[in-house]
Amino acid sequence: NAGVTQTPKFRILKIGQSMTLQCAQDMNHNYMYWYRQDPGMGLKLIYYSVGAGITDKGEVPNGYNVSRSTTEDFPLRLELAAPSQTSVYFCASSPKSGVSSYEQYFGPGTRLTVT
Amino acid sequence: DAKTTQPTSMDCAEGRAANLPCNHSTISGNEYVYWYRQIHSQGPQYIIHGLKNNETNEMASLIITEDRKSSTLILPHATLRDTAVYYCIVGDSWGKLQFGAGTQVVVTP
Repeated sequence: NAGVTQTPKFRILKIGQSMTLQCAQDMNHNYMYWYRQDPGMGLKLIYYSVGAGITDKGEVPNGYNVSRSTTEDFPLRLELAAPSQTSVYFCASSPKSGVSSYEQYFGPGTRLTVT
Repeated sequence: DAKTTQPTSMDCAEGRAANLPCNHSTISGNEYVYWYRQIHSQGPQYIIHGLKNNETNEMASLIITEDRKSSTLILPHATLRDTAVYYCIVGDSWGKLQFGAGTQVVVTP
């Protein structure tokens, strides 16, 4: 299993540009999450999904959109990029049910710079 | 704001036990205590979680006080590879984790 994969690893955007951060998992996990981490800070939840077709906002959803058309993929869309969105973005997934559902598996992250 | 309070940093000697404290005085009855760690900008790694009882796995032990207002993560024999930021998180069963700044643990030879 590849686990949770994220692309791209690095990206530089100009202010006002848009892009999609890709996230995929091959563990058949129903729960998926997007977090951002600013320098020296902990992670903040942007959006999460409990299954295909179901998404909900986290702590800091403004400026982002998500979709979940399949169990495997959970892309994060940035519209009209702003310098405040410069951050490292982590995608995570966890199983549907049972005690093991509390363990989140994280991807390697995407470093985004908006200038 | 994060629901937990942790020391900013702590040092530990290699081979010794590392005891990481965490205060979560406002935890509610259905919330769990999770511990994750993050090694040098990698994605966080799950360590352990608990509700009321003490828990142990191959990585660590989690001791939760009877009133659930605080907990301690124990790394029984710290190695250099345990140098990381350790996050104590209080979260619900949906997995919506709220990370604080964590504790920077440095294991020294």
